Amino acid sequence: ETGVTQSPTHLIKTRGQQVTLRCSSQSGHNTVSWYQQALGQGPQFIFQYYREEENGRGNFPPRFSGLQFPNYSSELNVNALELDDSALYLCASSLSGSSNYEQYFGPGTRLTVT
Amino acid sequence: QKEVEQNSGPLSVPEGAIASLNCTYSDRVSQSFFWYRQYSGKSPELIMSIYSNGDKEDGRFTAQLNKASQYVSLLIRDSQPSDSATYLCAVMEYGNKLVFGAGTILRVKS
Repeated sequence: ETGVTQSPTHLIKTRGQQVTLRCSSQSGHNTVSWYQQALGQGPQFIFQYYREEENGRGNFPPRFSGLQFPNYSSELNVNALELDDSALYLCASSLSGSSNYEQYFGPGTRLTVT
Repeated sequence: QKEVEQNSGPLSVPEGAIASLNCTYSDRVSQSFFWYRQYSGKSPELIMSIYSNGDKEDGRFTAQLNKASQYVSLLIRDSQPSDSATYLCAVMEYGNKLVFGAGTILRVKS
């Protein structure tokens, strides 16, 4: 069974730039959720993708957007980067439509905005 | 947004002792609860899920849920230095969105 993978591991960007983060879900899972974790805090829900559509969104501005592909992998795009966007970005995969609600995280992408 | 509260710690316990981690939540309709372990610089790792009132045991870990009191706890028996980490409590809201507490730092002293 293949676990959740994310790329890249680390990224350094300049304020105002755009970034794309990628996530491959665990085999057998059809749903990807994205979270932002600032230092010393718990992860904050950004949005979730199921059947290639956004299926719920947290309190993040529209410059945070995403995609899900037919193979269930997903991208998170952030435009007009701000210093406060520096964080660990986590994706979690799960299986919607089952009685198991567990979400499994990938290793994360550490984004630094300077 | 609904809240999940945890004592930030650090909680220090001697090796071999029982570590007790607690969490309260504000959303009365929540039905699914999770504990994640996060080592420094790593991503959260799911260690327990619990959906019904009562206890659920898995190895050295026991999760306890009391929906009436809106309280979830995690007990770690025979604590080991390798258990030293941040423990995150998560509550699932409508739409399969996880709401996390800020985490409790656990330190197991050998």
